[in-house]
Amino acid sequence: QVQLVESGGGLVKPGGSLRLSCAASGFTFSDYYMSWIRQAPGKGLEWVSYISSSGSTIYYADSVKGRFTISRDNAKNSLYLQMNSLRAEDTAVYYCARVLGSPDENWFDPWGQGTLVTVSS
Amino acid sequence: SYVLTQPPSVSVAPGQTARITCGGNNIGSKSVHWYQQKPGQAPVLVVYDDSDRPSGIPERFSGSNSGNTATLTISRVEAGDEADYYCQVWDSSSAVFGGGTKLTVL
Repeated sequence: QVQLVESGGGLVKPGGSLRLSCAASGFTFSDYYMSWIRQAPGKGLEWVSYISSSGSTIYYADSVKGRFTISRDNAKNSLYLQMNSLRAEDTAVYYCARVLGSPDENWFDPWGQGTLVTVSS
Repeated sequence: SYVLTQPPSVSVAPGQTARITCGGNNIGSKSVHWYQQKPGQAPVLVVYDDSDRPSGIPERFSGSNSGNTATLTISRVEAGDEADYYCQVWDSSSAVFGGGTKLTVL
């Protein structure tokens, strides 16, 4: 079955860095666009970033542009999110999700179980 | 940036019909998707492309989209439907989520 498993979350100080990983299985990873979405404690969902199947097309939310970098390794069936210059407001559960549908009509299915990132001194 | 507006909460008795709205400027021209999130769990897609259901999602879940409002309709509501529901569209190379609606089954 299709499965996404995130890892790499934890406690980091403001200004610090963290790298999240998402291991994919049960589907041909290299055929699909992927995305990161986050959810601050007690809050709603916020889209973070999106990468095409080849990695040639990448989009970011304005809130993370210039600080976060999305990447993928299709040989390892893995998605990554490098997070630099972290701020308290980046504290959230980070989900990876497979992207489906046509460009400009995309949806997310399935989602991983999430990994918690806490930015605090 | 594009804004999606959902009511914070909707309450319904078991067996009745719940309707959760998602408002946006000319949202009828966009493709709307809906997710269900139960406490402590990851979101699950329940409706995509306005009104299509993924495999495994009960027929009780349906969607519509016209004008400035998209609607998720849950018929014959069950206790297990109690959850947060989020609408989502794609706009200007960004995914946009509504603020979420907490469905309470009385």
